[in-house]
Amino acid sequence: LAKTTQPISMDSYEGQEVNITCSHNNIATNDYITWYQQFPSQGPRFIIQGYKTKVTNEVASLFIPADRKSSTLSLPRVSLSDTAVYYCLVGDVGGPGTALIFGKGTTLSVSS
Amino acid sequence: DAGVTQSPTHLIKTRGQQVTLRCSPKSGHDTVSWYQQALGQGPQFIFQYYEEEERQRGNFPDRFSGHQFPNYSSELNVNALLLGDSALYLCASSLAPQSNQPQHFGDGTRLSIL
Repeated sequence: LAKTTQPISMDSYEGQEVNITCSHNNIATNDYITWYQQFPSQGPRFIIQGYKTKVTNEVASLFIPADRKSSTLSLPRVSLSDTAVYYCLVGDVGGPGTALIFGKGTTLSVSS
Repeated sequence: DAGVTQSPTHLIKTRGQQVTLRCSPKSGHDTVSWYQQALGQGPQFIFQYYEEEERQRGNFPDRFSGHQFPNYSSELNVNALLLGDSALYLCASSLAPQSNQPQHFGDGTRLSIL
């Protein structure tokens, strides 16, 4: 599984767009990029997943350049409730024998 | 559509005791993984069950064991509890062998060892 590197923490204000970049230089051809959000005392919640180019859903966008060695999670107009830890994971994320390897994640703090 | 459910939500044990944690996967999922999350750390993979067999195991001692039932639910057993086993234990389910499907997590069992 490819190792990922992301900032330990980020600060933002309500209404701003937040971009969290994750580096994964050793990503494999079959690997997907997946982001999870975790609030205290809750399990990680799936946010978005992509393989290449751009993916958008109702809560976030994921930008993946052509070389796939990095990815950027974009949260539009954050609110206080977006304060959480965000994990970037790379790998074959669903099938048997596919352990998710979590790093320390990025702690996002949103202020008013 | 019920998501991943875990029980109990909280548990207090003493050193040396044994504990069993339970997980029901999201409807339609057949693969269950267990993770241990210490305070301030990311979840650490314990093991994964598919077709009632352990398919992959992380770096955890044999005191940690598991089981998957025909209805895809799963149990995590920990023997001879140590203070260091205090953590949030998370269960995640997914649909195999479609490998592009993400794992969905429950809210965990908070285990405290006194």
